[in-house]
Amino acid sequence: EAGVVQSPRYKIIEKKQPVAFWCNPISGHNTLYWYLQNLGQGPELLIRYENEEAVDDSQLPKDRFSAERLKGVDSTLKIQPAELGDSAVYLCASSLGGAGANEQFFGPGTRLTVL
Amino acid sequence: GENVEQHPSTLSVQEGDSAVIKCTYSDSASNYFPWYKQELGKRPQLIIDIRSNVGEKKDQRIAVTLNKTAKHFSLHITETQPEDSAVYFCAASPSFRNQFYFGTGTSLTVIP
Repeated sequence: EAGVVQSPRYKIIEKKQPVAFWCNPISGHNTLYWYLQNLGQGPELLIRYENEEAVDDSQLPKDRFSAERLKGVDSTLKIQPAELGDSAVYLCASSLGGAGANEQFFGPGTRLTVL
Repeated sequence: GENVEQHPSTLSVQEGDSAVIKCTYSDSASNYFPWYKQELGKRPQLIIDIRSNVGEKKDQRIAVTLNKTAKHFSLHITETQPEDSAVYFCAASPSFRNQFYFGTGTSLTVIP
């Protein structure tokens, strides 16, 4: 079974440019998470989807970040315009969802460098 | 919301010794506690987890203990090996919310 897939793995852009990250979760996983991970820190939630619904986006900087999961499967996270401080690893994760806590599986991440 | 604290931030042990990493949480609704290992440049991977209906769980050289009353849980690695060197993250999850709150990580170095 394929794990969580993310692309691209690395992205270097100049500040003020737009950038998009893509995530395909494990088949059948209803819950999808986007995290930001700074060097030496734990993952910080940006947004959580239950199927196609964004149920927790309180930590998403909505002035420049947006996300979508139109068909409740794959998801895209966008930053426009990017700032120097956005340099980090963006992790996608998925879990079965439902009422009980289920194991969360992470993708390999996208390492973003903003110059 | 939940607040997870993790200590120590760095830990060095001699090969063969034991390593212990401790986490505390604040939300009594949390009832699922996974531990992740993250090697440099790689994704976090689940190594062990525990639910609030048990106090201890063991898997070969790795064990996790949970004290619900004190709201803390610990990761124990025995007979450490160089390949155990990585960053370890604890997390707490209130199951009905499908949310995960992570600690700040412990960088473990096993010295051969």
